[in-house]
Amino acid sequence: QLQLQESGPGLVRPSETLSLTCTVSGGSITSGSYLWAWIRQPPGKGLEWIASVYYSGSTYYNPSLKSRVTISVDTSRNQFSLNLNSVAAADTAVYYCARPLQQSVGGVFDYWGQGTLVTVSP
Amino acid sequence: EIVLTQSPATLSLSPGERATLSCRTSQSVRSQLGWYQQKPGQAPRLLIYDVSNRATDIPARFSGSGSGTDFTLTISSLEPEDVALYYCQQRLSWPLTFGGGTKVEIK
Repeated sequence: QLQLQESGPGLVRPSETLSLTCTVSGGSITSGSYLWAWIRQPPGKGLEWIASVYYSGSTYYNPSLKSRVTISVDTSRNQFSLNLNSVAAADTAVYYCARPLQQSVGGVFDYWGQGTLVTVSP
Repeated sequence: EIVLTQSPATLSLSPGERATLSCRTSQSVRSQLGWYQQKPGQAPRLLIYDVSNRATDIPARFSGSGSGTDFTLTISSLEPEDVALYYCQQRLSWPLTFGGGTKVEIK
């Protein structure tokens, strides 16, 4: 059974960089042509797709965040990561990593991590 | 960017009643739309993909329909465990976008 697990600091200072890692277990990140994704949800609000990455390193970004976001993959560790720089209070959210049902396209997501709350505060 | 508008914001029904949730998209997404259920403190759970296909282990009381820009998620007979937020999502084009959600409550 595929499992995804987010890890990273729960508190980030304003203007600093938020860094999260998603560790994939129960399957290889290089198996298939999936676009592994980060999605976030501010407290009490809806879902926002942030970025997606192939194991080859090809990426897709949400234009609203593109100038501040980097998504990357480490196949040797079966992980993919998110960096979001110059954070502000509006970046406080639960951050999820996810894998889509469909291969080779953006897809809808059938595997999710449990989510990790990141708070941006001085 | 394709904008998804869900209605109503809140749906309050009695157990056994039929729930009808709407998702309207700002342009056609063909059949590339899915639905999620999210309970408090949990990650979203995929219910429906490509308009009308139930995901793995999803009960038959959940069904999806629609085409183009108007889509519906139906819960045929509401169970207490169906209390949750429901989101639609399009996968036709980047950026992937979600609706604002519909909250389903039990009367």
